[in-house]
Amino acid sequence: SQTIHQWPATLVQPVGSPLSLECTVEGTSNPNLYWYRQAAGRGLQLLFYSVGIGQISSEVPQNLSASRPQDRQFILSSKKLLLSDSGFYLCAWNSGIGGGATDTQYFGPGTRLTVL
Amino acid sequence: EDQVTQSPEALRLQEGESSSLNCSYTVSGLRGLFWYRQDPGKGPEFLFTLYSAGEEKEKERLKATLTKKESFLHITAPKPEDSATYLCAVQVYNQGGKLIFGQGTELSVKP
Repeated sequence: SQTIHQWPATLVQPVGSPLSLECTVEGTSNPNLYWYRQAAGRGLQLLFYSVGIGQISSEVPQNLSASRPQDRQFILSSKKLLLSDSGFYLCAWNSGIGGGATDTQYFGPGTRLTVL
Repeated sequence: EDQVTQSPEALRLQEGESSSLNCSYTVSGLRGLFWYRQDPGKGPEFLFTLYSAGEEKEKERLKATLTKKESFLHITAPKPEDSATYLCAVQVYNQGGKLIFGQGTELSVKP
């Protein structure tokens, strides 16, 4: 069976510090990978998605970036955090879109980021 | 612009009091509609996918239905353990499989 991991679970960082959040998926190959942010009391906002190694699409211009160095690893980074970067960061995967079928996205446990 | 709106924002029920959550959508071409359950501090848990108007799916006390403009999540005789935020999301053709989420409905079931 497939599992998705995220770490760290919680993180408190000062403004201006760098950020690196990691997401890994087990039990599948060549997944589509997604990064979402959820602000308090709000829905999920898609930040980045990737359909393969080194392929990153950005949905929202901001000071965050994403990378996919390995097939089942997705990293969210920032060089300098802002207060507005606080939130709950969720990684998700699905097995890809093909033949008209719709593939469900499965979410990781999330990382709670607080920027002070 | 593709948009998803959920109502109500919050719903308080007594145990056993059935009700429905609404998800209205305006999209260019619906590929699928998804319902998730999210407990506080955790990632969303998949519940249902609906693909076409008239489709219905059930799981325990939950039943999801879909029309051309909205989806309903019916909760029959809810229990306190059904308390959670329920998220609706749509997937649109030609947008790489990404999901567009509503703001969620926070459900609280009191014993």
